[in-house]
Amino acid sequence: EDQVTQSPEALRLQEGESSSLNCSYTVSGLRGLFWYRQDPGKGPEFLFTLYSAGEEKEKERLKATLTKKESFLHITAPKPEDSATYLCAVPAQYNFNKFYFGSGTKLNVKP
Amino acid sequence: NAGVTQTPKFQVLKTGQSMTLQCAQDMNHEYMSWYRQDPGMGLRLIHYSVGAGITDQGEVPNGYNVSRSTTEDFPLRLLSAAPSQTSVYFCASSLGLNNEQFFGPGTRLTVL
Repeated sequence: EDQVTQSPEALRLQEGESSSLNCSYTVSGLRGLFWYRQDPGKGPEFLFTLYSAGEEKEKERLKATLTKKESFLHITAPKPEDSATYLCAVPAQYNFNKFYFGSGTKLNVKP
Repeated sequence: NAGVTQTPKFQVLKTGQSMTLQCAQDMNHEYMSWYRQDPGMGLRLIHYSVGAGITDQGEVPNGYNVSRSTTEDFPLRLLSAAPSQTSVYFCASSLGLNNEQFFGPGTRLTVL
């Protein structure tokens, strides 16, 4: 069964304290892993897509990496405005029109 | 471009009532989908469409109907609302397979 699991559920950091969020998946033959950011009361907003193991993408203080079984979202020297819920998603193995989302990691960065 | 728009933003229903959640996009995207988001469960796919006239079920389709008569619009219908359908509903669109999805602002639905 296709599954996506994110950890931790919540993460509290001090401003400038770097850390990583994890997204593990069980889909075979991965056709892409997507990261989204969701602010309270809003819809998710796209961040990155990774397609193959070893691939990395960066955007400001965020860097996403991908292995064969998991992806990491590294946050370097975070600021309070990075506080949000971060979601990852993968398409189903046998139907690329269906996406499975993880339950997200809620990040809180204190000044 | 307005992107993906959803109406209403908030809705309160009584058990057994029906209603339609509206979703529209102005990006000429073929793929559209509906998700519900519940605490601790992430986003779950309800129904999706790969083009006008083509819809299919997602992970949690029971109690919901959809149709897609135009590229722009993808309404979600609740025929007989139940308290278990209390949730936040998001509509999304994308160019097609394996593309980033653009999400609407969501509709917060409460069923009493």
